[in-house]
Amino acid sequence: KAGVTQTPRYLIKTRGQQVTLSCSPISGHRSVSWYQQTPGQGLQFLFEYFSETQRNKGNFPGRFSGRQFSNSRSEMNVSTLELGDSALYLCASSTRAGDSGANVLTFGAGSRLTVL
Amino acid sequence: DAKTTQPTSMDCAEGRAANLPCNHSTISGNEYVYWYRQIHSQGPQYIIHGLKNNETNEMASLIITEDRKSSTLILPHATLRDTAVYYCIVRVDYGGATNKLIFGTGTLLAVQP
Repeated sequence: KAGVTQTPRYLIKTRGQQVTLSCSPISGHRSVSWYQQTPGQGLQFLFEYFSETQRNKGNFPGRFSGRQFSNSRSEMNVSTLELGDSALYLCASSTRAGDSGANVLTFGAGSRLTVL
Repeated sequence: DAKTTQPTSMDCAEGRAANLPCNHSTISGNEYVYWYRQIHSQGPQYIIHGLKNNETNEMASLIITEDRKSSTLILPHATLRDTAVYYCIVRVDYGGATNKLIFGTGTLLAVQP
């Protein structure tokens, strides 16, 4: 079956712009999580959605937001981009919310954002 | 902060077993040990997980010490394609847990020809 699909794979923006990234989870997966990966900070949790509800949020400023649709697809948005937002943004999906037993996350290939 | 400690890097000869250690001395009774790996510029890939018993799947084996304070991931016959950063993660799997994973710096495994 198809894996986690993230679009776009690469994009370049300038400071002050905003960006929207999309994630289509594996069919049947209702949980979507987002992570940011930078050389300096490594992999950091952004937020998590299950059945259109945000269940957890990482320590990121309010410029980072997300949502999940009824078909489980998710988007994240970063407004007023800063140079430090340049990163690989990864989406992961799973079948269950985290509190329902052992749970495996399947990651997409990521969206690489460059802010100039 | 990550609750695990791993060596920064390791080398392994192709065809030999790769043994990647992980310390998780503060692990709680309801926390599982998960291993993921990330090949350069790709998303992390799940490898294996366990609670207290040793586990094996088609990719690897996971050996957890009796006191659960450390574990070892074993790739029985490493290939060049196994060169990646390997992350050891502990997480609660029930009772209010979420899908938030806290990644440490991982171990860069370099498989040498």
